[in-house]
Amino acid sequence: NAGVMQNPRHLVRRRGQEARLRCSPMKGHSHVYWYRQLPEEGLKFMVYLQKENIIDESGMPKERFSAEFPKEGPSILRIQQVVRGDSAAYFCASSPNTLRRETQYFGPGTRLLVL
Amino acid sequence: AQKITQTQPGMFVQEKEAVTLDCTYDTSDPSYGLFWYKQPSSGEMIFLIYQGSYDQQNATEGRYSLNFQKARKSANLVISASQLGDSAMYFCAMREVPNDYKLSFGAGTTVTVRA
Repeated sequence: NAGVMQNPRHLVRRRGQEARLRCSPMKGHSHVYWYRQLPEEGLKFMVYLQKENIIDESGMPKERFSAEFPKEGPSILRIQQVVRGDSAAYFCASSPNTLRRETQYFGPGTRLLVL
Repeated sequence: AQKITQTQPGMFVQEKEAVTLDCTYDTSDPSYGLFWYKQPSSGEMIFLIYQGSYDQQNATEGRYSLNFQKARKSANLVISASQLGDSAMYFCAMREVPNDYKLSFGAGTTVTVRA
């Protein structure tokens, strides 16, 4: 059973470009979460999605950031017009449900570097 | 207010010895879950252990055990018989209601195991 998959693992963008980060959850998992890790810090929640629905995007910046989890295909975190402050590791996690005991399993992360 | 506090930025431990990583948390919710994750230098997030607030016994998973002191709001991770492969960053995290899908992470503790 493959784990959570993220691609690309590393992404370099120039200021003003767009970044698209992809996440395929574990088989059987319908809940996807995105977190951001700034250098030397812990992970911060960004957004929680189920298929075709954004449940909670309270941790996501209002501008330039968007996320989706379509009926078919991976979840996408999109950052438009990137700035240097967007440089971070972006982690996707998935779970089969949201029961409190249920563990969120993380992907390997995408390291975004904005030049 | 910080929900999870990890006061030890870095620790050294001798191979085969035990090490305790501190974690204190802040919540007014009687029902919550506590997690520990390991992040090796390769960057992925690896789930280690879970403790529910109503669990009567401290959680254990192989060489990992959680010293849960509810009244003190602490959930320290104990790694026994340290191995070189245990060198990594360790994060404590919590989920609470409402929005119990959202993990709040501490800043992490770096553990370096010496031969």
